[in-house]
Amino acid sequence: EVVLTQSPDTLSLSPGERATLSCRASQSVSSSYLAWHQQKPGQAPRLLIYGGSGRATGIPDRFSGSGSGTDFTLTISRLEPEDYGVYFCHQYGYSPYTFGQGTKVEIK
Amino acid sequence: QVQLQESGPGLVKPSETLSLTCTVSGASIRGYYWSWIRQPPGKGPEWIAYIFDSGNTHYNPSFKSRVTISIDMSKNQFSLRVKSVTAADTAVYYCARGYGPGYASAGYWGQGTLVTVSS
Repeated sequence: EVVLTQSPDTLSLSPGERATLSCRASQSVSSSYLAWHQQKPGQAPRLLIYGGSGRATGIPDRFSGSGSGTDFTLTISRLEPEDYGVYFCHQYGYSPYTFGQGTKVEIK
Repeated sequence: QVQLQESGPGLVKPSETLSLTCTVSGASIRGYYWSWIRQPPGKGPEWIAYIFDSGNTHYNPSFKSRVTISIDMSKNQFSLRVKSVTAADTAVYYCARGYGPGYASAGYWGQGTLVTVSS
């Protein structure tokens, strides 16, 4: 099973700042099968990034995904107040598909 | 825009079978991957299984043979059965569709339904 480890656990930033979220895989994962989801309290997750760097429909261009091999990054270029929540990385290249434990983004 | 809605009992007794249904609207159920994913309280999501059209299924081995995913194209629904539930199966259960044809994981999510296993 591919274990995804996210860091940091919590990120506390002010609006307008840049957020960098990391996801490390226990073995190499094709970026074609790496996604990022955002989840707000009491809501279902929402797909942000698929295939490593593709933005899902309706996702603002301040969200970007990058990386390869075992190291992947989600960057939010300029934080908006509505960007608070928990972000999960997800690999769907190897069965069983797995998720990271999440990074909580807090808005200062 | 595809919409997914989970339905099922909120409370199940230990050792019983949990049955959940996902009703799909706004899109045909044909030609896409359909998944069940669960999220225990305070934890990250856990992928359970997917089904493609009517025959191609794939399961998370950690569930061994306890789970069955099925699809009813005439009703635009797909379902999950989990046998012999324990307290560890308490979670919010989500149904999901692939982002596009050939996308075998979650692109669009239902709102989720909380299932509690307790006597």
